[in-house]
Amino acid sequence: EVQLVESGGGLVQPGGSLRLSCAASGFTFTNYWMSWVRQAPGKGLEWVANIDQDGSRKYYVDSVKGRFAISRDNAKNSLYLQMNSLRAEDTAVYYCARVRTVTIFGVVIMSYFDYWGQGTLVTVSS
Amino acid sequence: QSALTQPASVSGSPGQSITISCTGTSSDVGGYNYVSWYQQHPGKAPKLMIYEVSNRPSGVSNRFSGSKSGNTASLTISGLQAEDEADYYCTSYTRSSTLGVFGGGTKLTVL
Repeated sequence: EVQLVESGGGLVQPGGSLRLSCAASGFTFTNYWMSWVRQAPGKGLEWVANIDQDGSRKYYVDSVKGRFAISRDNAKNSLYLQMNSLRAEDTAVYYCARVRTVTIFGVVIMSYFDYWGQGTLVTVSS
Repeated sequence: QSALTQPASVSGSPGQSITISCTGTSSDVGGYNYVSWYQQHPGKAPKLMIYEVSNRPSGVSNRFSGSKSGNTASLTISGLQAEDEADYYCTSYTRSSTLGVFGGGTKLTVL
């Protein structure tokens, strides 16, 4: 059974840092792109970051570029999101998700998320 | 990245059918068959309902179906049930970004 379990959320002051973790099990972690998706309270879903199977390709939404860093440890079947210089608008539930991709003429297309974790809440407030 | 456009809310009575639209552009929905739909109950994680426009994952009821015409994708739920009451989100690949783009979400109320 595929399982994704996030941890590391909490209350942090503006300008602070937090590191989220996602423990994966039930599948061959090294075969998949992974993502972080967030949802602000009462709002919709927002794609935050993607990482490829060996961690060599990483992509971010413009609002977190230069502040957040996605990474993975394939030996530990774990995905991470290092969040620095946090702002009030980063307050959200953060989900990790497995991405299904299609490669066409060498271009990797993010097709859909087939499994999601339960999410971890990050609150940025003084 | 611009969000895809979904109606804020739709409603229907048990047993009826409803359709939720997801409108984008030729750079995303209209140009590619990589539209997916997710169901989210309050306080829960999203769940994949439809992928690549019209494919249903194993375990998802055949009351859920997807389609696309031009720049608009649609999710249809037939034989509405109380348990279908939830938020629904579409997402699509876009050539404008290395990440995909989400719709703003639609709240389905079963009357």
